[in-house]
Amino acid sequence: DAKTTQPTSMDCAEGRAANLPCNHSTISGNEYVYWYRQIHSQGPQYIIHGLKNNETNEMASLIITEDRKSSTLILPHATLRDTAVYYCIVSTNNLFFGTGTRLTVIP
Amino acid sequence: GAVVSQHPSWVICKSGTSVKIECRSLDFQATTMFWYRQFPKQSLMLMATSNEGSKATYEQGVEKDKFLINHASLTLSTLTVTSAHPEDSSFYICSEHSGRVNEQFFGPGTRLTVL
Repeated sequence: DAKTTQPTSMDCAEGRAANLPCNHSTISGNEYVYWYRQIHSQGPQYIIHGLKNNETNEMASLIITEDRKSSTLILPHATLRDTAVYYCIVSTNNLFFGTGTRLTVIP
Repeated sequence: GAVVSQHPSWVICKSGTSVKIECRSLDFQATTMFWYRQFPKQSLMLMATSNEGSKATYEQGVEKDKFLINHASLTLSTLTVTSAHPEDSSFYICSEHSGRVNEQFFGPGTRLTVL
């Protein structure tokens, strides 16, 4: 069962940072926070994951609060190609997807 | 990241026929593969976990006799939808566990339409 809460949809202007929040107040100590995204009619794409420290890679940054009850995915300079559904998942192994956030990047 | 392929990318079949979907790990030997399905405008639902050389583990509510999973090699897992009906029409997606720290990589999906 999905154990995360995300806004249903968000808009972001092209070139600006997109900040996608996720609440996971029942996360347990050994569960990671994963972010995937799914562009229409494609398989999900891995973005980033973390346990308790903030993480950054070539795609995004992941900010996890100190109590680990929430996190934020940051796309530093959103492009039109970043329009997708973004899923925040907490898990130790199997991935159970929630409803995600539909991000629309606006020109 | 790892490369996962699926074949076919789409298929249309008549009600009552069986359809086999292949999931291949192209650059990694995956001991574990996962099968998901996604109905229109809904999220992905985990159907089963496929372990190489052993029986698949199905999620609650998924009929194992209808959705046959075979994971005979480290690079290939197959999902057969038996006696397909229109309600089985969906987007079927496989993923592999990379073996690194909890990363999964997904295939491009197979769209099944049952007439």
